[in-house]
Amino acid sequence: TQLLEQSPQFLSIQEGENLTVYCNSSSVFSSLQWYRQEPGEGPVLLVTVVTGGEVKKLKRLTFQFGDARKDSSLHITAAQPGDTGLYLCAGEFSSASKIIFGSGTRLSIRP
Amino acid sequence: GAVVSQHPSRVICKSGTSVKIECRSLDFQATTMFWYRQFPKQSLMLMATSNEGSKATYEQGVEKDKFLINHASLTLSTLTVTSAHPEDSSFYICSARVMGAAGELFFGEGSRLTVL
Repeated sequence: TQLLEQSPQFLSIQEGENLTVYCNSSSVFSSLQWYRQEPGEGPVLLVTVVTGGEVKKLKRLTFQFGDARKDSSLHITAAQPGDTGLYLCAGEFSSASKIIFGSGTRLSIRP
Repeated sequence: GAVVSQHPSRVICKSGTSVKIECRSLDFQATTMFWYRQFPKQSLMLMATSNEGSKATYEQGVEKDKFLINHASLTLSTLTVTSAHPEDSSFYICSARVMGAAGELFFGEGSRLTVL
């Protein structure tokens, strides 16, 4: 059974601070996505990473894919209240051709 | 990005009745769609993979006779919750993969089912 462990589960920080969310697995991903979800809505895709060691930036968000393609991180610089939400990593394992979600990180940014 | 539409967004039904949820890809063809279930404050749990023209593949622990999935065309998959019970109350979300796009999923708006 492929599992994705995401940490931390909850994070509450002050506006302007930096934070990092981690996503780990014992299996190799063929691709990994990060999503953000608002209450009562479906997840919205932020980024897809495919190549080991890949780094992608989306404004204040930096996404990194581990060299071995077993882990990923999301770093937010100078967090803003608008960043509040549920952040989900999701991995596709080449052996299964299905996409499994991590447990999620609920982020709260205090003004 | 690709658009996936889910209907209904909210449904309330009595215990013992069946409810059908539709998932449509509006501007692309989806040979594969996925159905997820999400409980409050939790992540998405994959229920099944819906394949156009063939039987769905269910995850371990998901009752295929209770959660009927039909993928009759390249743009439509349906999930029917049969003989619903209060414990089936949840947020059901479908997603579709754009052919050729590595791993990306586009999600419907979700359907909140409440069984009384």
